[in-house]
Amino acid sequence: GAGVSQSPRYKVAKRGQDVALRCDPISGHVSLFWYQQALGQGPEFLTYFQNEAQLDKSGLPSDRFFAERPEGSVSTLKIQRTQQEDSAVYLCASMRGRIEETQYFGPGTRLLVL
Amino acid sequence: GNSVTQMEGPVTLSEEAFLTINCTYTATGYPSLFWYVQYPGEGLQLLLKATKADDKGSNKGFEATYRKETTSFHLEKGSVQVSDSAVYFCALSDRGGGGSQGNLIFGKGTKLSVKP
Repeated sequence: GAGVSQSPRYKVAKRGQDVALRCDPISGHVSLFWYQQALGQGPEFLTYFQNEAQLDKSGLPSDRFFAERPEGSVSTLKIQRTQQEDSAVYLCASMRGRIEETQYFGPGTRLLVL
Repeated sequence: GNSVTQMEGPVTLSEEAFLTINCTYTATGYPSLFWYVQYPGEGLQLLLKATKADDKGSNKGFEATYRKETTSFHLEKGSVQVSDSAVYFCALSDRGGGGSQGNLIFGKGTKLSVKP
C-alpha cells in the first residue's frame, strides 16, 4: 500500500525487556516523526528525522529511548529496559518535504509492559 | 511553551445535530492549526488545516476558522452523521526550534458519538 506502515501492531513485553518498533514511511518522504500516545491523551512528540539525520530528539523521555533511520527510509524506535510507564501507542508519521506540510500517520504500535 | 486545549468529551449527539468542538491554543509566533480525526480501529487522519489567521479549513462538511484574536480554532459541522463518530484532535505545528520542522502539539482529543 501507499501509506505509512508500522510493525508490530501489538507488543507485550515484560518489564526490563528491550523492544524495537518499526516504521515504514511513504516512499520518498523526507521527514519522519515519532509520537507517543498514552491512553486517553493526545500524541506527544518524541523525535524527528530529516532523511537519515536525527534533527530533534527533545521529546525522548529518557536515555532508554533510541531511534534511528540509517538509510533515510525505514526507522526503528528502540526502548531498552522497558518500564510500565512506557506502555502506550507509538505513532510514526511521515511528511513529504522538509518544511511544514501534511503529516501522514501510521496505525501505531500498541506496547504493553507488564 | 506551546500548547493546545480542547473541550473534553465524550460528546453524544443525535444524527443531524449541530456540532461544535472548542479548541484554543497558546503559541509564540504564528503556527499552523490542524484538526485530525481517528476513526475506530484506524490511524490518525488529517481532517482540515489552516495556515494563517482568518483562514478557514474545510473538509467533509467540517469547518474551522483560525482566529488569532481569540487564539481559537473551533471545529463545526452543521449536520452530523453516525459515520462521524470518532475521536477528534486539535493540533498546532510547533516551529519552536530544536531543528524540527513542524512537529505537532496535540490536544487531548474529544470523543464524538452520533446516535441514529
